[in-house]
Amino acid sequence: AQRVTQVQPTGSSQWGEEVTLDCSYETSEYFYRIFWYRQLFSGEMVFLIYQPSFDTQNQRSGRYSVVFQKSFKSISLVISASQPEDSGTYFCALSELGTNTGKLTFGDGTVLTVKP
Amino acid sequence: EAAVTQSPRNKVAVTGGKVTLSCNQTNNHNNMYWYRQDTGHGLRLIHYSYGAGSTEKGDIPDGYKASRPSQENFSLILELATPSQTSVYFCASGAWASAETLYFGSGTRLTVL
Repeated sequence: AQRVTQVQPTGSSQWGEEVTLDCSYETSEYFYRIFWYRQLFSGEMVFLIYQPSFDTQNQRSGRYSVVFQKSFKSISLVISASQPEDSGTYFCALSELGTNTGKLTFGDGTVLTVKP
Repeated sequence: EAAVTQSPRNKVAVTGGKVTLSCNQTNNHNNMYWYRQDTGHGLRLIHYSYGAGSTEKGDIPDGYKASRPSQENFSLILELATPSQTSVYFCASGAWASAETLYFGSGTRLTVL
């Protein structure tokens, strides 16, 4: 069964610092994707970046990148030059491609506060 | 721009009453999903659908029904609402077997008194 764990319930940084948020997961599938979302204070879910399991290269998108350690079943989201506007709750989510359902299994999230 | 619209945004219901949450998507996606989010937790899957006429149970389906009358519309039905179903409900749509992410609605805050 799939499971996603985010062990940091909260995190903080100063404006301009690099932030790393951790996630670990369990899956028996070979092909899967890991997504990162940010939930705004309004509740809106914003897609940030995803990592496919078959790609050994760490994905990057603007100020977001991931550090993917497939053998350890862990992935970290790295936010460079953090800003107060980056504050919010960050979720890691797993999608198993073998099931073809497209469904996501979410972690409990990390609440990030970026101080000015 | 992909769009998923939920209604109502807020709902207060009484225990034992029937509640219907509606979701409409203009993305022409095959798959649609209903999740619930409780305070301090991530989203958990209730029901999903592969297309018009299909509904499948997710991870926490008990106490909920779903209906997919068309490609665009997906409803979540609470026949006998209970206080434990007080939560924020999110609808999402996605293309089958696609590398795209899911697109989420803005959520419905349901309070069952």
